[in-house]
Amino acid sequence: DIQMTQSPSSLSASVGDRVTITCRASQGIGSNLAWFQQKPGNAPKSLIYAASSLQSGVPPRFSGSGSGTDFTLTISSLQPEDFATYYCQQYNISPFTFGPGTNVDFK
Amino acid sequence: EVQLVESGGGLVKPGGSLRLSCAASGFTLNNYIMNWVRQTPGKGLEWVSSISNIGSYIYYADSVKGRFTISRDNSKNSLYFQMSSLRAEDTAIYYCATGKGGYQIDYWGQGTLVTVSS
Repeated sequence: DIQMTQSPSSLSASVGDRVTITCRASQGIGSNLAWFQQKPGNAPKSLIYAASSLQSGVPPRFSGSGSGTDFTLTISSLQPEDFATYYCQQYNISPFTFGPGTNVDFK
Repeated sequence: EVQLVESGGGLVKPGGSLRLSCAASGFTLNNYIMNWVRQTPGKGLEWVSSISNIGSYIYYADSVKGRFTISRDNSKNSLYFQMSSLRAEDTAIYYCATGKGGYQIDYWGQGTLVTVSS
């Protein structure tokens, strides 16, 4: 099975900060990687698919990059509504594993 | 607008069974791969099962293989999840999810809570 790791597991940031979250796959997955945002009490929301493609309606301050085993999610200027937990998921091969999540909270 | 609405969650005793349903609207179900993803309260997301657009390919996480069965009825625009031999560790919110291409997830339901407890 492909193991997904994320770093950091949590971070504290301020509005306006540039935030980068890293996701690593235990073996190559091409560009078959998605990023999700989840706020407490809500279902996850899809942000990015195919490693770097923005979902419709997602603000352009979110961006994704990477291929193979190393991926990043970047928020160029953190907004109050961005404080949440972020998950990556590989959908290259079953089981379609998620990363453990990165909690972004207010500094 | 794509909408996914799960139902069927509830309280069940260990060893019991439950059937979840997911009603889809706003798109033609038979064009999409469908998934179940679960989340233990306060914990991360766990992919549990996927079914291809006409049910030819089915995948399960090891944690549910042999106990849970995914199925779909495209004529009713519905996805199902038959859960048997339930354990306390199956307690979670179960989300129905789908996507526009391959096994990627673009859309999520609101989830249904399954609690396994005596």
